[in-house]
Amino acid sequence: NAGVTQTPKFRVLKTGQSMTLLCAQDMNHEYMYWYRQDPGMGLRLIHYSVGEGTTAKGEVPDGYNVSRLKKQNFLLGLESAAPSQTSVYFCATLRDYGYTFGSGTRLTVV
Amino acid sequence: KNEVEQSPQNLTAQEGEFITINCSYSVGISALHWLQQHPGGGIVSLFMLSSGKKKHGRLIATINIQEKHSSLHITASHPRDSAVYICAVRDPSNTGKLIFGQGTTLQVKP
Repeated sequence: NAGVTQTPKFRVLKTGQSMTLLCAQDMNHEYMYWYRQDPGMGLRLIHYSVGEGTTAKGEVPDGYNVSRLKKQNFLLGLESAAPSQTSVYFCATLRDYGYTFGSGTRLTVV
Repeated sequence: KNEVEQSPQNLTAQEGEFITINCSYSVGISALHWLQQHPGGGIVSLFMLSSGKKKHGRLIATINIQEKHSSLHITASHPRDSAVYICAVRDPSNTGKLIFGQGTTLQVKP
C-alpha cells in the first residue's frame, strides 16, 4: 500500500520543453489535487478532480493541463515550460478522514 | 487580508517547552486541517477538525467554530518537532478545496 506516489521526484527542464507529472494512488480515493508550493506564496491549487473523467481549474491553472482518465492516476502536464513554473509540486487525495499528500516533485525550468 | 491567518510566523523554543500555534479564518468551512512539513520534506496531515478537540501523542488541536479560531499545541516539545506547521480550511462546497495559511516555522532547540 504505497498511498500517493509522485513521479518524477526531481526534474530540470529547458524553457519551452514539455513534461508530464504523474500522481498515482492506490487508496481508491475520488478527489485528487495538484498544488504548487513557492517560497513566500505557500501552497496554491493548480487543478483538481472530483472523480474519474472530471477535472476543474484551481487558483493558478494557466500553463498547465490535467487528465484523470483512470481513477487512480492524475496527470499534470506542462506543454511549454517557463521559468515561472519552477516550483515544488504536490499531489494530494481526499477521503472522509483527511488528505494524503505525495512526497513532491521538485521542478526547475532553466 | 488573507482568509486564513496563522500566528506566529516564526517560533523558536527550547526543548521541553509547551508550544501554541494559532489559526484564524474568515470564511465558511466544512473542516480545518493541520499539516506538518519538515525541511525539504513532504506534507503530512496531522489533524482534521470540524468541532471540539483532538489529541495524538504530544499534539493537541482545538477549534472554536463560533470564533473561527483553531490552535495547535505541542507538549514537551522536542527538536524533531522542528518543521513548518500549516493550517488549512476546507471549502464547504463539494470540491474539497483547501485554503492555506502561510505556515508557522517552528525551531526547537536542544
